[in-house]
Parts: sequence; structure tokens; C-alpha cells
Amino acid sequence: GIQVEQSPPDLILQEGANSTLRCNFSDSVNNLQWFHQNPWGQLINLFYIPSGTKQNGRLSATTVATERYSLLYISSSQTTDSGVYFCAVGLNYGQNFVFGPGTRLSVLP
Amino acid sequence: GAVVSQHPSWVICKSGTSVKIECRSLDFQATTMFWYRQFPKQSLMLMATSNEGSKATYEQGVEKDKFLINHASLTLSTLTVTSAHPEDSSFYICSARVAGENTEAFFGQGTRLTVV
Repeated sequence: GIQVEQSPPDLILQEGANSTLRCNFSDSVNNLQWFHQNPWGQLINLFYIPSGTKQNGRLSATTVATERYSLLYISSSQTTDSGVYFCAVGLNYGQNFVFGPGTRLSVLP
Repeated sequence: GAVVSQHPSWVICKSGTSVKIECRSLDFQATTMFWYRQFPKQSLMLMATSNEGSKATYEQGVEKDKFLINHASLTLSTLTVTSAHPEDSSFYICSARVAGENTEAFFGQGTRLTVV
């Protein structure tokens, strides 16, 4: 099956700093999503980005499908950005998404 | 965007009892839904795939007689944890995608199960 790796596993930032989270996957995929899991466990969908680049406020993401990786950029980080960020990849409809191990981000005031 | 509603958000039950968790797609139909489990400080792991009108398929190591899945309609899948034990305590999350569309997956709010 598809293997998904995320780096770094843990990241500590000072408020206002920028960061880049990486997701590598072992095979071609048709779907890729980035999530932020909040302290209550809810998965917040950040981006659906099987390819290309998207931006939403301070967050942006880029997926280079041919090279099997995706990047999530967080600029001017805030304490509310703390939590776990997951990358999940999938193939076709009817097949599940496979999650990476996550990056645990702590933003200090 | 589409909404997946999961209920209850949290539940505490006694060992030996059964607990039912519901997953509903509120504004779309889903022929397939997925159930994930997440232990503390770990990632989400697929437990089973719920197929409308047919039997669920379970991942290796997941007991089908313990985790009963029913997908009776295009908008509802249920997961019943039977004869729950403390080791079943975990965070359970369902997801669904719009039927026939190869697009993003939508996730429920999750259910935190504690077995005492």
C-alpha cells in the first residue's frame, strides 16, 4: 500500500515565525488533503490539493505530484496554529485516504 | 462544503456493554464511508470500509464481530462496538466522499469512547 511520511515530526516556533511542513508519498495519488487536528480531535480541512498551489490567508500548499511530495507553508504563525497537521492521500473514489504520522506544531507566545 | 455529522461526540460506557456511533452525510449521498481509529499521539488508522447495501470490509487485525458496521442508506453508516473493553477506548472518526466524485473526503467530528 501507499506509504506516507511527514517531516518534521515535531516543530516548535516562536509566534510570528514561518514554517514549512513536508509530506512525501510512495506512489502516484489522485487526491491529497492537509488537515489540522484541533485539541478536541476534530479534523479541520485545510486544503484539497492533488496538484498545484493554493493559498488561504496565512496558509498555502503546493503539491508536486510527479515528484510525490506536498508542502504546507504557515506564515506569521500564531499560538492558535498549534496542534497536529496531517497529510492524507488517496486514490479513486471508494478507496480510503491514508494518513501520514503527522507533524506536531507548538507555537509559543 | 459537504458536511458529515457524527454522533455522539463522546461516550463513557461500562465494560461489557455495546456502544453505537452514527455517521451521517447531511447534504450528499455516499455509497462508501470509512471508519478510522486514533489512539493518543498517533495517526488515524483505517478500521473498515462501509459499503451501502453490502458487507463492510475490515482491515487486517480488526475484529468484524466486535466492530459491527451497518450502512443501510446512502447517508448513514453506524459502527457498533460490542462487548466493549477498556482497550477499545479510543477516538473514532468517520469519513465520506460525494458518491461517484473523485474529490476530497469529509470527516465527522469524531467520537471519543472511554470504557470503564
